[in-house]
Amino acid sequence: AQTVTQSQPEMSVQEAETVTLSCTYDTSESDYYLFWYKQPPSRQMILVIRQEAYKQQNATENRFSVNFQKAAKSFSLKISDSQLGDAAMYFCASRRDDKIIFGKGTRLHILP
Amino acid sequence: DAGITQSPRHKVTETGTPVTLRCHQTENHRYMYWYRQDPGHGLRLIHYSYGVKDTDKGEVSDGYSVSRSKTEDFLLTLESATSSQTSVYFCAIRPAGTGTEKLFFGSGTQLSVL
Repeated sequence: AQTVTQSQPEMSVQEAETVTLSCTYDTSESDYYLFWYKQPPSRQMILVIRQEAYKQQNATENRFSVNFQKAAKSFSLKISDSQLGDAAMYFCASRRDDKIIFGKGTRLHILP
Repeated sequence: DAGITQSPRHKVTETGTPVTLRCHQTENHRYMYWYRQDPGHGLRLIHYSYGVKDTDKGEVSDGYSVSRSKTEDFLLTLESATSSQTSVYFCAIRPAGTGTEKLFFGSGTQLSVL
């Protein structure tokens, strides 16, 4: 079975600080993709960052980076210099073959 | 984004009635997905398609059927709607072979089953 687990339903971080969102997944395949999507109140789904499983180097996109621990099946998202616009639901997802599964999400609050 | 249109945007229906949601794309992408989003459950995959007449079940397919007779349209049908199917439904497409590894989502359909 393909599962994605986000154990933090909600998190808060002070503006300009750093926060890490956790995600674990379960796939027995060697070739897969991992993603973090952001969903602001507008309900739009926005790709934040993605990681190919065969790449050992952690992906980064500006203030967003991941800590990909393949053996532990862990894929956490680090947001540096948090901004008010980062407030949203964040979903971790995995793609194995054609199936794409999402976690339950983490709601991130940014405190001014 | 990516030419995805979901219809209707909102729908209220009664328990036991059939409901069909439509997802239309303009870019002939092969892969299309239907998800439902509920508080506390995130996005759950209902069905997906990897080509015309090629579909497969997702995590929560019971009570739902899909059809894809044309590349551009992916229909989701609730054969006999129940209150537990009240949800926001998202369609998504995934470009393949273009170097773009991401999902493009529609705007969602808010379905209320009374």
